[in-house]
Amino acid sequence: DIQMTQSPSTLSASVGDRVTITCRASQSISSWLAWYQQKPGKAPKLLIHKASSLESGVPSRFSGSGSGTEFTLTINSLQPDDFAIYYCQQYNSYSAFGGGTKVEIK
Amino acid sequence: EVQLLESGGGLVQPGGSLRLSCAASGFTFSSFAMSWVRQAPGKGLEWVSGISGGGDSTYHANSVKGRFTISRDNSKNTLFLQMNSLRAEDTAVYYCAKGSYSTASRINMDAWGKGTTVTVSS
Repeated sequence: DIQMTQSPSTLSASVGDRVTITCRASQSISSWLAWYQQKPGKAPKLLIHKASSLESGVPSRFSGSGSGTEFTLTINSLQPDDFAIYYCQQYNSYSAFGGGTKVEIK
Repeated sequence: EVQLLESGGGLVQPGGSLRLSCAASGFTFSSFAMSWVRQAPGKGLEWVSGISGGGDSTYHANSVKGRFTISRDNSKNTLFLQMNSLRAEDTAVYYCAKGSYSTASRINMDAWGKGTTVTVSS
């Protein structure tokens, strides 16, 4: 099974900061990676698919990059609405999620 | 607008069974793979099961293989999860999610339901 490792597990940042979250796969998944945002008590929301394709309606301050085993989610100019937990997910072979990264207010 | 509405959650004793349903609308249901994803209290997301658009291919996480069965009724736009031999560690919110493709061997989640809570406890 493919394992997904996210870092950091918690990230403290301020409004306006640029933040980067990393996701590593235990084997190559090409570009079959998605990023989700989840807020307390809510279902996750798809932000990015195919590693770098922004889902319709998602603000352009979100971007994704990477291929193979290393991926990043970048949020430019963090907004108050962005404080949440972010998950990566591989879908090269079935599916598996990373452990999540909580972006909290500094 | 895509809508997914889960039902069937509740309190069940260890070793018991439960059947979850997910009513879908707003898209051509049979054209897309579907998944169940769960989230234990205070924990991260765990993919549970996936099924292809036609229902001919199904996949389950190792943690539920042999106990859970995913299925779908494309005539009724409904997804199911039959859960048998339930354990305390199956306690979670269970989400129904729509894939972007028909195949279930490569399945992301571009729309989610609000979830239904399953509690396994004596």
